[in-house]
This record gives sequence, C-alpha cells and structure tokens, in this order.
Amino acid sequence: ELKVEQNPLFLSMQEGKNYTIYCNYSTTSDRLYWYRQDPGKSLESLFVLLSNGAVKQEGRLMASLDTKARLSTLHITAAVHDLSATYFCAVDMNSGYSTLTFGKGTMLLVSP
Amino acid sequence: DAGITQSPRHKVTETGTPVTLRCHQTENHRYMYWYRQDPGHGLRLIHYSYGVKDTDKGEVSDGYSVSRSKTEDFLLTLESATSSQTSVYFCAISEGVGYGYTFGSGTRLTVV
Repeated sequence: ELKVEQNPLFLSMQEGKNYTIYCNYSTTSDRLYWYRQDPGKSLESLFVLLSNGAVKQEGRLMASLDTKARLSTLHITAAVHDLSATYFCAVDMNSGYSTLTFGKGTMLLVSP
Repeated sequence: DAGITQSPRHKVTETGTPVTLRCHQTENHRYMYWYRQDPGHGLRLIHYSYGVKDTDKGEVSDGYSVSRSKTEDFLLTLESATSSQTSVYFCAISEGVGYGYTFGSGTRLTVV
C-alpha cells in the first residue's frame, strides 16, 4: 500500500521568509503532482513531476523530485500572503489508471 | 470553464436514504475519479473509471457504488447514507498517466 507523508502539516510563516514542504512516499513511483487548495474551494494543479531530478518553478514556488529518496520538496521563496493555502502532494500508484494517493496536506499561513 | 461540473453542490440527507452525486465532463477524458476529503485525511479514492462501464474500487469504497454509462457522466451512489459519509466529495478527470487531474468544484454532503 502506497503511503504519502507530508510535513509539516501546518506552517505559519512571515512574509519574505523561505521555507520547504516535504513529501515522502513509501513505494517506487516517478510521477508526483502538487496541488493547491484555497479554503472552501477545489484543488488546482501546480506542478507535474515525471522523472527523477525533475524541477519545476512557477513564481515563488519551486518543486523537485528525487525518486531514489522517494522525496519531493516544494520550496517557497520570499513568501507573500497570497500563497496562504493548503498544498497537497499526490503520487501515482502505478496502477496504470493514473490513480493518485494524496498526502494529508500542508496548511500554509503567511502573515505580514 | 474547466469542463467538469458536479451536482449538487450541497446536499443534506437523512441516515438510511440513498444519495446519488453526479460528475459531468465535456473534455472527453477517459479517466474519472471520485474522492472524499475529510479533515486530517487528505483526499481518499473511492472509485474510479477507465472507460464506459469500466470501474474499479479505491481505498474507501465500502458503502459506495458507481456507474458510468456514458463517457461524460460518472455517478456516485451512497446506497444507504450514514453519518460517517458526511464529507466533501470531489470528482476528477484525467487524460491518463502523466497528466494529473482536473477537479470539479466539489459536493458538500451532510448526513443527519
């Protein structure tokens, strides 16, 4: 059974600071996705990581994948209030049907 | 917009009654999924479909059934609703392996 662990589960940070969210998973997979969810809303796709060493960047967010370590990171640079949301990583279960197992999410709160 | 709609958006029902949630897509994607989201659990897969009349169980399928008679529609039925099925239900669609998901807006279901 594939297990996906995110940490921290809650992160309170000040604007302008940097931080990293970690996503560990338990079995081999080389397809990992990051999603963002605002309170009361649906999930939107942030990054698709499809190979070992993949790195994607969008604005102040950068995601990377290390399939050997079974680890993905989401790095936040110079946080701003608009980044406040819950971030989920999701790992392909290798079922052949693109079924994803999600982490429990990291709630990020950025304050002035 | 995103080509995926869920209905109803909100529903309150009584314990023991059957409930059907609908997911409709206009993207002609092969894969469709039902997840439930609960505090502290992230998203958990209920059922998924890889084609018309082709469905399979996910992690938390007990008490749920699904049907897909057309490419565009994926129905989730709670055969006899229980309070433990109070949750937010998300439908998602995918083009396939490596594409990730597009999510619907969600259905908030309360079983009283």
